[in-house]
Amino acid sequence: ETGVTQSPTHLIKTRGQQVTLRCSSQSGHNTVSWYQQALGQGPQFIFQYYREEENGRGNFPPRFSGLQFPNYSSELNVNALELDDSALYLCASSGINYGYTFGSGTRLTVV
Amino acid sequence: AQSVTQLDSQVPVFEEAPVELRCNYSSSVSVYLFWYVQYPNQGLQLLLKYLSGSTLVKGINGFEAEFNKSQTSFHLRKPSVHISDTAEYFCAVSRGGADGLTFGKGTHLIIQP
Repeated sequence: ETGVTQSPTHLIKTRGQQVTLRCSSQSGHNTVSWYQQALGQGPQFIFQYYREEENGRGNFPPRFSGLQFPNYSSELNVNALELDDSALYLCASSGINYGYTFGSGTRLTVV
Repeated sequence: AQSVTQLDSQVPVFEEAPVELRCNYSSSVSVYLFWYVQYPNQGLQLLLKYLSGSTLVKGINGFEAEFNKSQTSFHLRKPSVHISDTAEYFCAVSRGGADGLTFGKGTHLIIQP
């Protein structure tokens, strides 16, 4: 049983640029959700994808968008990066028993 | 909307002593409850979850938690901690479906030798 894999592990972007983060879900899981974890804070829910459709969203602006592919892998795209977007971005996959499995995250630094 | 309060930002405990990490939640509907652990520079690992049934839930690494509906609490306990338990602990709730998880701000468990 493979776990959740995220790439890249770290990256540095300039304010105003765009970034794409990737996530492969655990085998057997058809739902993927993304979270933003600022330093010293708990993770905050960005959005969730089920069967390639966004079916839930937290309090994040539209410049945070995503995709889910037929193999249940997912992307998080952030446009017009701001300094406050610097955070650890976590991806979680889940199945029918609400067993959310998290990846190790992508550390994004915006300068 | 639901919310989670973790009452202690840091809890120092001596090795082999018992520990309780407190979590209270607020929700107008029934929720599912979770505890996660995060080691430095890593993702989140599920310790245990409450979906339904017995209010005492046993998890990995000797941790357990008790769901108390009247007090809207889900406190995490371990009878004897080890130095390797030093980490950040997060309580989370979900209404299920498309809601995702709502996390508390975390409790840093510090084990003193």
